[in-house]
Amino acid sequence: EVQLVESGGGLVKPGGSLRLSCAASGFTFSTYTMNWVRQAPGKGLEWVSSISTESLFIYYADSVKGRFTISRDNAKNSLYLQMNSLRAEDTAVYHCVRKDPGTAPFSVWGQGTTVTVSS
Amino acid sequence: EIVMTQSPATLSVSPGERATLSCRASQSVSSNLAWYQQKPGQAPRLLIYGASTRATGIPARFSGSGSGTEFTLTISSLQSEDSAVYSCQQYNSQQYNNWPPTFGPGTKVDIK
Repeated sequence: EVQLVESGGGLVKPGGSLRLSCAASGFTFSTYTMNWVRQAPGKGLEWVSSISTESLFIYYADSVKGRFTISRDNAKNSLYLQMNSLRAEDTAVYHCVRKDPGTAPFSVWGQGTTVTVSS
Repeated sequence: EIVMTQSPATLSVSPGERATLSCRASQSVSSNLAWYQQKPGQAPRLLIYGASTRATGIPARFSGSGSGTEFTLTISSLQSEDSAVYSCQQYNSQQYNNWPPTFGPGTKVDIK
């Protein structure tokens, strides 16, 4: 079964840091571009970051550029998101998402991990 | 950045009736448009991609149409389990390595 399982969320104070992890299984992780997509309470989906198969191409939303860092370890079938200088507006459920090859939609989503930034 | 809008924000439909949801892009996205279904507490699920192709396992009552800037998701005969938020997403910008892919704000479908 294709599966993405996120972990690492929690409550953090403004200015703090968190590292999210995503464990992939059931498919050849190293051959897929991976993404983080978040959803703030009562809001729509917002793409956060993307990383290509060999980490050569990395993209960030303007809202997180300079504060978040995406990375992956293909040997461990894992995706990561290092989040620094967190703000209240970063409060959201963060989903790990697989993109199909080429110009394609987001085909597999994890359940998400909740990040709450509050003093 | 391509801005996606959806209408209506909320749609209340009786079981067995047709539901029609609209999605508009601020510039042409060709047919690189997807629809997702999200139920409370669950991850989004891919319903439609390429504007009109159903994803694996999606019932035939779900259909998509449109191209360019105007798109429609139709649920032909609404079932109780279709109560959810439906979001559209353009992924045309990937063709030019011109991220980001962008989502619409969603349409909430309620069962009367």
